Amino acid sequence: EIVMTQSPATLSASPGERATLSCRASQSITNNLAWYQQKPGQAPRLLIFGASSRATGIPVRFSGSGSGTEFTLTISSLQSEDFAVYYCLQYNNWLTWTFGQGTKVEIK
Amino acid sequence: EVQLVQSGAEVKKPGESLKISCKGSGYNFIYYWIGWVRQMPGGDLDWMAVIYPGDSTTRYSPSFQGHVTISVDRSDSTAYLQWSSLKASDTAFYYCVRRTGVAASFHFDHWGQGTLVTVSS
Repeated sequence: EIVMTQSPATLSASPGERATLSCRASQSITNNLAWYQQKPGQAPRLLIFGASSRATGIPVRFSGSGSGTEFTLTISSLQSEDFAVYYCLQYNNWLTWTFGQGTKVEIK
Repeated sequence: EVQLVQSGAEVKKPGESLKISCKGSGYNFIYYWIGWVRQMPGGDLDWMAVIYPGDSTTRYSPSFQGHVTISVDRSDSTAYLQWSSLKASDTAFYYCVRRTGVAASFHFDHWGQGTLVTVSS
């Protein structure tokens, strides 16, 4: 089973700052990684797939990078609506998925 | 517009059975894998099961195999998740998800609004 580890668990930042979130896979998943944003009381929303492709309607301040076992989600300039929990998801193996435990981005 | 609309919140007792639903619209239901993801009170997300409506092929996570059953009604574009005997540890939010049809990128691209299941004596 592929284990996904996100860091940090909580990131405190101010509006306008840059935020960098990490996700590590226990084995290579090439670029088979997605990122989701979840706000309180809402379902997760797809941000990034294929490690670096933005989903439809996602602002350009969100970007993804990485391959193999190390991945990064960057929010270039935090907006008030970006304070939420972010999850990574690997889908490297056929019909098998694993989520990371999440990173909470909170207002400093 | 793709939509996944789930059934409402449920409160059950341990040992009771339950079936929750997810109705898809805005796309050709039979051609996309559809499944369920559990979110525990602490926030952890776990994939549970998926089904291909075209031929009802299923795949279960080992963690949930034998404890839940996924099914589909093609005529109504609805997927189901059912338990025959609930436990208190089944208390969680359950999300319906659609797997993308994009070649070589099999993530979940659409989510339902979630169904809260509470199991308590």
